Amino acid sequence: GENVEQHPSTLSVQEGDSAVIKCTYSDSASNYFPWYKQELGKRPQLIIDIRSNVGEKKDQRIAVTLNKTAKHFSLHITETQPEDSAVYFCAASYNFGNEKLTFGTGTRLTIIP
Amino acid sequence: EAGVAQSPRYKIIEKRQSVAFWCNPISGHATLYWYQQILGQGPKLLIQFQNNGVVDDSQLPKDRFSAERLKGVDSTLKIQPAKLEDSAVYLCASSRFQKRDTEAFFGQGTRLTVV
Repeated sequence: GENVEQHPSTLSVQEGDSAVIKCTYSDSASNYFPWYKQELGKRPQLIIDIRSNVGEKKDQRIAVTLNKTAKHFSLHITETQPEDSAVYFCAASYNFGNEKLTFGTGTRLTIIP
Repeated sequence: EAGVAQSPRYKIIEKRQSVAFWCNPISGHATLYWYQQILGQGPKLLIQFQNNGVVDDSQLPKDRFSAERLKGVDSTLKIQPAKLEDSAVYLCASSRFQKRDTEAFFGQGTRLTVV
């Protein structure tokens, strides 16, 4: 089955700096890669996703890149703000998200004011 | 649109007891997932339903866990008997199962503590 690894497990950055979280996946059939943000005690919420037919997607301060050959994808947050502090999970799935979403172990991001 | 509803929010039971969780997905969502999230880890898929049929239950400990989705809407997840290592947040999620609309929406979760 699919195995998703995520690094780093914790990340602290100064407010205004950029943060990068990286994930690798094992199943070359995976073609859908969402990122979820989970604030303390709350539900995971989708912040951005990418499909295997594109290499990069951007939404304001958040971007995701995908390298299918290397089987890794990354989340980039620019101009970080205190409200970006949360746990971020990457995930991988096939059939464009309709089959078995497998999550990484999470990255706790702390933005230092 | 109303979100995914789960109950109860919290549950404390003794080991070897039974417990059941309930989930009501977003209206019109054909796919329903149950995830187990142990503290400090990512959610782990336990079972995935497509309408009232099981798509994947490969990681469901079937000797003690069971789940059903009668009529393809609400779902219940049961643990019988519970073990200490079952302490976790149980998350229910749903999605439309359409090619360009597959975002999984999560409920608030049920925090289970087994003592």
